[in-house]
Amino acid sequence: DTAVSQTPKYLVTQMGNDKSIKCEQNLGHDTMYWYKQDSKKFLKIMFSYNNKELIINETVPNRFSPKSPDKAHLNLHINSLELGDSAVYFCASRPSGGETQYFGPGTRLLVL
Amino acid sequence: AQSVTQPDIHITVSEGASLELRCNYSYGATPYLFWYVQSPGQGLQLLLKYFSGDTLVQGIKGFEAEFKRSQSSFNLRKPSVHWSDAAEYFCAEAKTSYDKVIFGPGTSLSVIP
Repeated sequence: DTAVSQTPKYLVTQMGNDKSIKCEQNLGHDTMYWYKQDSKKFLKIMFSYNNKELIINETVPNRFSPKSPDKAHLNLHINSLELGDSAVYFCASRPSGGETQYFGPGTRLLVL
Repeated sequence: AQSVTQPDIHITVSEGASLELRCNYSYGATPYLFWYVQSPGQGLQLLLKYFSGDTLVQGIKGFEAEFKRSQSSFNLRKPSVHWSDAAEYFCAEAKTSYDKVIFGPGTSLSVIP
């Protein structure tokens, strides 16, 4: 009965590779988010989708491309991975009309 | 630009002692305010939130927070800390319920047995 799930939990890869992180929520929420948490624990929003439509796009390199096939899923594809992309990536969702975001367990990405 | 500050990077308290974690927000009007907790290796869990009404808000796990407009603060308190409260605590604000949430840098809490 996991609410917001992410796969994989850990991802170790080489510089220059392309990788994807998947997020699914079974809460029936309309809005989903991607956050990046750096090594100093600083948490910053990257993207937000509402009913498969992009509504927030912070200053994130073009190498990052979110995709929402349906409102229960928000995937993050990263091209040409760089060392600085190493971080924990959190997915979150929020119900329509609600203000609370529900977070997934995070995906720990390490770029070597 | 919106910002949230948490002046204490790290706090250590003894088990059973009281706790106060400080948070200051920047949004001029009444923002939506949140406290989240992140246990090691885990995602974030909402402790409590405020957007209107009584300025003293009760949350889960025995936490409470007080909104003080005059000080632009939303400090988190707990009267008696348990060892399981050791975690990272994040204060956050949003202008509206659907706006992006801005997180503070976090305060790491250690609890001494």
